[in-house]
Amino acid sequence: GAGVSQSPRYKVAKRGQDVALRCDPISGHVSLFWYQQALGQGPEFLTYFQNEAQLDKSGLPSDRFFAERPEGSVSTLKIQRTQQEDSAVYLCASSLGTGLRYEQYFGPGTRLTVT
Amino acid sequence: AQSVTQPDIHITVSEGASLELRCNYSYGATPYLFWYVQSPGQGLQLLLKYFSGDTLVQGIKGFEAEFKRSQSSFNLRKPSVHWSDAAEYFCAVGATGGSYIPTFGRGTSLIVHP
Repeated sequence: GAGVSQSPRYKVAKRGQDVALRCDPISGHVSLFWYQQALGQGPEFLTYFQNEAQLDKSGLPSDRFFAERPEGSVSTLKIQRTQQEDSAVYLCASSLGTGLRYEQYFGPGTRLTVT
Repeated sequence: AQSVTQPDIHITVSEGASLELRCNYSYGATPYLFWYVQSPGQGLQLLLKYFSGDTLVQGIKGFEAEFKRSQSSFNLRKPSVHWSDAAEYFCAVGATGGSYIPTFGRGTSLIVHP
């Protein structure tokens, strides 16, 4: 079956532009996660959804970052007024249930470059 | 809060040689432990995980890892490396109980020479 897909795969934005990154999780997966992976670093947690509810947004670095999952499937991560420090790979992951005992399946990521 | 240290940024091995990637964690109790692999342009793939029980864990692609509580370590091993194993490897730790957020190390880049 299909895995987690993300689009676009690459995005170049001028500083100050808004961007929207899309994640299509595995069908039926309850949990959805967004991570930010800076160059040479491991993924860092941004936010977590259980179905359509955003239960944890403690990792979002500023109020310029906003995520939604209105129907409990597709999710969008939006970054307003992009800054150079936002340049990173944004990874989406989904899992069948809640908790670390459920495997998280990762998408290929969106590489965002802010110029 | 938990943390993970992967002391080696790069590891170079010859094809067919054995491999050990180091991972040390900090957590107040026995954590959940994971190893992921990330190939260029790909997402992370789970290699293996430890929750409890047998401290030697077998994973996919011929990898294994051993949880050593006394050393706070969870090192990844493979007896014979293949060129296709060249990738970035991430160790991750998670708190037991109701946590759903793993904390990742910075990764170790594996280079395989023919």
